Amino acid sequence: QLVESGGGLVQPGGSLRLSCSTSGFTFSSYWMIWVRQAPGKGLEWVANIKEDGSEKFYVDSVKGRFTVSRDNVKNSLFVQMSSLRDEDTAVYYCARGGRAGLGDYWGQGTLVTVSS
Amino acid sequence: DIQMTQSPSTLSASVGDRVIITCRASQNINRWLAWYQQKPGNAPKLLIYEASNLESGVSSRFSGSGSGTEFTLTISSLQPDDFATYYCQQYNSYSGYTFGPGTKVDIK
Repeated sequence: QLVESGGGLVQPGGSLRLSCSTSGFTFSSYWMIWVRQAPGKGLEWVANIKEDGSEKFYVDSVKGRFTVSRDNVKNSLFVQMSSLRDEDTAVYYCARGGRAGLGDYWGQGTLVTVSS
Repeated sequence: DIQMTQSPSTLSASVGDRVIITCRASQNINRWLAWYQQKPGNAPKLLIYEASNLESGVSSRFSGSGSGTEFTLTISSLQPDDFATYYCQQYNSYSGYTFGPGTKVDIK
């Protein structure tokens, strides 16, 4: 099970930290992923993080603004989002990176709205 | 960066129809291509990985093919539960997975 939290309304330029609490699998054995979906739009891969946190990758549009991290003791995934823009408004999903890091189990998503 | 395109963007079909969706990559991704299904208000569901391998528990009416830059998802006989949006995703490198823009399959 994956459960996202931390979404909400934030002003442009603001910051927000999303969390993804997991259970039912060995969290430390999997890559983890963040994917977002703007209202009425398609899916966008945002970031992923290796099992031990030693490698992280980001889509170009969030590089330098978002930081993904994980806590393998608390089985949790995070993304710290700063300098938020209107175009960051989306439902943010966390997913387990199963085979080759593909999302095989997903949370229900948390909505982030960037607006003044 | 690898760009993905899908065609058509919308497809109207009837129950029992054979449906084919095409996905193209801007460069060679070998067979590192996955397909997802998403229904409104729900998270995506992985259907196919490595271009043609069916994820566990997914109906055999779904099949995938292709390699290099051109791929297809086929639904052999469309069922009411299959009306959804389908996305391809390339995973040629951990440094950047990219989704296609999606194909909405709706009722004719």
